[in-house]
Amino acid sequence: EIVLTQSPGTLSLSPGEGATLSCRASQSVSNIYLAWYQQKPGQAPRLLIYDTSSRATGIPDRFSGSGSGTDFTLTISRLEPEDFAVYYCHQYDSSPYSFGQGTKLEIK
Amino acid sequence: EVQLVESGGGLVQPGGSLRLSCAASGFTFSNYEFNWVRQAPGKGLEWVSYISSSGSTIYYADSLKGRFTISRDNARNSLFLQMNSLRAEDTAVYYCARGALQLGSDSFPTGFDYWGQGTLVTVSS
Repeated sequence: EIVLTQSPGTLSLSPGEGATLSCRASQSVSNIYLAWYQQKPGQAPRLLIYDTSSRATGIPDRFSGSGSGTDFTLTISRLEPEDFAVYYCHQYDSSPYSFGQGTKLEIK
Repeated sequence: EVQLVESGGGLVQPGGSLRLSCAASGFTFSNYEFNWVRQAPGKGLEWVSYISSSGSTIYYADSLKGRFTISRDNARNSLFLQMNSLRAEDTAVYYCARGALQLGSDSFPTGFDYWGQGTLVTVSS
């Protein structure tokens, strides 16, 4: 079973700043099948990034993903007010699929 | 427009059963893998179960210990989750989420690209 650990737990930043969110896997995600989701209160998660670095349909290019093996990163280049939310990484490489515990991005 | 609509949630006593449904529209349901994901109040996302496009391959989270059964009816564009022997710790919003496109023996994973709005299951006496 692949355990995903996200850091930091909470990130306090201001609009316009850049954000870097980390996701570490307990074993290698061998087929780049790593995704990132954004979730706002009362809403379902929204897919941002799939296959480690591909942006989902309609996702602005300020969101980017990178990484390989056990270390993955979601980067948001210039934070907009609507970007403040909880972010989850997710591996769909092997069953049981798993999610990280989430990083809350809050306004400083 | 892709739509996933869950139903069947509600209040159930410990030890009881519930059957969740997810009605799909706006795409060829039988070509896609599906998953159930749950989220306990104030907590993170937890993957529950997976089913292949034909229904021939199924996976479950180890924590469920045989209490849940995933199924699908491609003729009715519907996904199901039968939940038995429910416990307080099963209290959560349950989401259906679309997975990979499957065409023949080929699978094209792209994460979970569409999610329903969720249905709340509360297990309490």
